[in-house]
Amino acid sequence: GAVVSQHPSWVICKSGTSVKIECRSLDFQATTMFWYRQFPKQSLMLMATSNEGSKATYEQGVEKDKFLINHASLTLSTLTVTSAHPEDSSFYICSALSNRQETQYFGPGTRLLVL
Amino acid sequence: AQSVTQLDSQVPVFEEAPVELRCNYSSSVSVYLFWYVQYPNQGLQLLLKYLSGSTLVKGINGFEAEFNKSQTSFHLRKPSVHISDTAEYFCAVSEGGSYIPTFGRGTSLIVHP
Repeated sequence: GAVVSQHPSWVICKSGTSVKIECRSLDFQATTMFWYRQFPKQSLMLMATSNEGSKATYEQGVEKDKFLINHASLTLSTLTVTSAHPEDSSFYICSALSNRQETQYFGPGTRLLVL
Repeated sequence: AQSVTQLDSQVPVFEEAPVELRCNYSSSVSVYLFWYVQYPNQGLQLLLKYLSGSTLVKGINGFEAEFNKSQTSFHLRKPSVHISDTAEYFCAVSEGGSYIPTFGRGTSLIVHP
């Protein structure tokens, strides 16, 4: 089946630093990847849609300068949380779209804690 | 725009009992429907999906769901649950041709011994 990995699985950082999260599709190519944020006991909130070779499309209310997304290849998208603050602490989940199957496959998530 | 309603935030059930997790959606066009499971501190895993064809869809781990267009529902069922099925379950819908689903708020399935 389709496998999506995320790295790191968890990260603790100091306020003001930047954190990069990688999302990889391991056995399929993904022109489109998605980044979600999930708060405790809540559903997923779509942050942005990442398309290979072009700029990401951000959802309303998501700061594009704070959450930098790069999708340089068909198997890798990265999310960089710049100048992280404690309120950015959350569970970040990526997904990759398998175009042939019209289905999103999700990564295991990255838990970010900003102190 | 589509929306998804998961009617139960929490469903407690005893092991080996049957379970149904309810999901209703609203959309004016044809839809794709999905059920995902999320175990604690993990990402989402696809249980099953309906894109077209047979309205009864069988997924992994013994789960199945039935698409009912007239009732705009896609309820998830399992005839006999295990302790290991304890998790959060999300229903999602995307309008035909769109690859971006809208997720429900989730239903927490709690299986007791």
